[in-house]
Amino acid sequence: EDQVTQSPEALRLQEGESSSLNCSYTVSGLRGLFWYRQDPGKGPEFLFTLYSAGEEKEKERLKATLTKKESFLHITAPKPEDSATYLCAVQAGGSGGGADGLTFGKGTHLIIQP
Amino acid sequence: DTGVSQDPRHKITKRGQNVTFRCDPISEHNRLYWYRQTLGQGPEFLTYFQNEAQLEKSRLLSDRFSAERPKGSFSTLEIQRTEQGDSAMYLCASRKSGPRDREQFFGPGTRLTVL
Repeated sequence: EDQVTQSPEALRLQEGESSSLNCSYTVSGLRGLFWYRQDPGKGPEFLFTLYSAGEEKEKERLKATLTKKESFLHITAPKPEDSATYLCAVQAGGSGGGADGLTFGKGTHLIIQP
Repeated sequence: DTGVSQDPRHKITKRGQNVTFRCDPISEHNRLYWYRQTLGQGPEFLTYFQNEAQLEKSRLLSDRFSAERPKGSFSTLEIQRTEQGDSAMYLCASRKSGPRDREQFFGPGTRLTVL
């Protein structure tokens, strides 16, 4: 069964304090790894797709990287508006979330204090 | 460009009642997905459609749940004889069907509360 584990569950940072969120995964044939941001009471907002180990994507203060077992979301000099829950998801070739459905982790709740 | 829309945004019902939710995907997206999310958890996959064909159902989708996408555009998710355990956020997502267009775009969700 496909599994996604995110750590830490919660993270509180000062504005400008860089850090990284971890997403460890176990899947049968990774077809894609996805990062989403979710604000309270809203649907997930797409951030990045990573397809193969060694791939990196960047957007503003965020950078996502991928290895064969995990992905990191690096946040550089965060601002209070970066506060949200960050979700990691995988699309696998086997069972679990279905052939096309995503399997999500529980997310990392990030708080950036001014 | 409008994103994925869902209606209603909130629904409160009594146990045993039937409820129906609607999802309108992004117009050029032919794949449509339903997920359920409870507090503190990530979304859980329920089912998906390619055009009007329902291609995959999760083990989470009990017999009380049914989804349709009759014309390959909007979709409905019906829950019959609701139970308190059905209380959750129901999310819809859509995407194109290309091999390098795998990212799914989510709607705002329908928050269901079963009393």
